[in-house]
Amino acid sequence: AQSVAQPEDQVNVAEGNPLTVKCTYSVSGNPYLFWYVQYPNRGLQFLLKYITGDNLVKGSYGFEAEFNKSQTSFHLKKPSALVSDSALYFCAVRVSGYSTLTFGKGTMLLVSP
Amino acid sequence: ETGVTQTPRHLVMGMTNKKSLKCEQHLGHNAMYWYKQSAKKPLELMFVYSLEERVENNSVPSRFSPECPNSSHLFLHLHTLQPEDSALYLCASSQEAARAGDTQYFGPGTRLTVL
Repeated sequence: AQSVAQPEDQVNVAEGNPLTVKCTYSVSGNPYLFWYVQYPNRGLQFLLKYITGDNLVKGSYGFEAEFNKSQTSFHLKKPSALVSDSALYFCAVRVSGYSTLTFGKGTMLLVSP
Repeated sequence: ETGVTQTPRHLVMGMTNKKSLKCEQHLGHNAMYWYKQSAKKPLELMFVYSLEERVENNSVPSRFSPECPNSSHLFLHLHTLQPEDSALYLCASSQEAARAGDTQYFGPGTRLTVL
């Protein structure tokens, strides 16, 4: 079985500071990892994904994530947070075409001015 | 989000009503999905369609009935729902259902309230 853990329900950061939203996964096989963001009353918006290759993946709006196979982690990062980054962030994993995309429970990011 | 549209955006229905949710994707994808998002719970996959054929049905109650007339349109027919079915229903699409690395693109969702 595959699973995703987002250990923090909420992350608070001041505008201009770096932010990290944590994600760890558990799978049998090679993972395909995704990050999505959800603004209030909106659907999920794709940010970035790791398929293979370079462990550092760059995505939309200045976000990036680092795949760490030994720690089974895929933390989302941004060097300088904006108030407009405040939203709900989801990490998701899939192993193969025969498995479904499994989501974490989400982490609320609050960026204060 | 404009690649996947959903209507209506909000729906209030009684337990004896019959209603339908509609999803349309403008991305040329072959796979479409229905998810349920409830408060404090991870997203739950309900149904997966690949080229109009249902390939996944995650033990969803029969009061939810999907329909996929073509690869661009997906419906979720609702009847005799329960209050616990109140949630945000999200539609998504991807190029192929069986390709694990394909990104799923989501619509804005339908906020359903069952009274």
